[in-house]
Amino acid sequence: AQSVTQLGSHVSVSEGALVLLRCNYSSSVPPYLFWYVQYPNQGLQLLLKYTTGATLVKGINGFEAEFKKSETSFHLTKPSAHMSDAAEYFCAVSLTGNQFYFGTGTSLTVIP
Amino acid sequence: DAGVTQSPTHLIKTRGQQVTLRCSPKSGHDTVSWYQQALGQGPQFIFQYYEEEERQRGNFPDRFSGHQYPNYSSELNVNALLLGDSALYLCASSPADRELGYTFGSGTRLTVV
Repeated sequence: AQSVTQLGSHVSVSEGALVLLRCNYSSSVPPYLFWYVQYPNQGLQLLLKYTTGATLVKGINGFEAEFKKSETSFHLTKPSAHMSDAAEYFCAVSLTGNQFYFGTGTSLTVIP
Repeated sequence: DAGVTQSPTHLIKTRGQQVTLRCSPKSGHDTVSWYQQALGQGPQFIFQYYEEEERQRGNFPDRFSGHQYPNYSSELNVNALLLGDSALYLCASSPADRELGYTFGSGTRLTVV
């Protein structure tokens, strides 16, 4: 069975500070891993994904994530937070690319 | 290029009623999945349709059913609505290459009173 744990339901950072959103997964085999962002009253937008190959994945808006198999983690980072980054972030895991298992989300607040 | 289109955007229904939600996938996508997102939660997989058949189903009761048409558009039907069915229902489409991930619509906000 697959599952995702997002540590910290709420994260606050100052504008310009490092953003770190944590995601740990449980899977019997190496899965596909995704980060999605959701703005209020909107659907989910894909930030980045890991399928195979390079473990450091770069996404849109300056975000990146590193797949660490030994730690079963896929943490999301951004060097410098911007006000427009305030949103809900979801980590997701999938074995086949069909059914996704989402975490409960992390709400990011950016303080000016 | 239009993304995933869902209708209606908002809906209010009474307990016991039935509801139909609609989804048009992104151009070039042939697979449609439905997710339920309760307030403050992550999306939960309901089912996936491919080639007009339900290919995979999550842990949802039979009150939740769906359909996919030859043009790949899809419907989600929920019978005998419960208060607990109140949620944002998200439609997501994907191409044949599943590694590319889903494209999500903006969702239908269903409120059951």
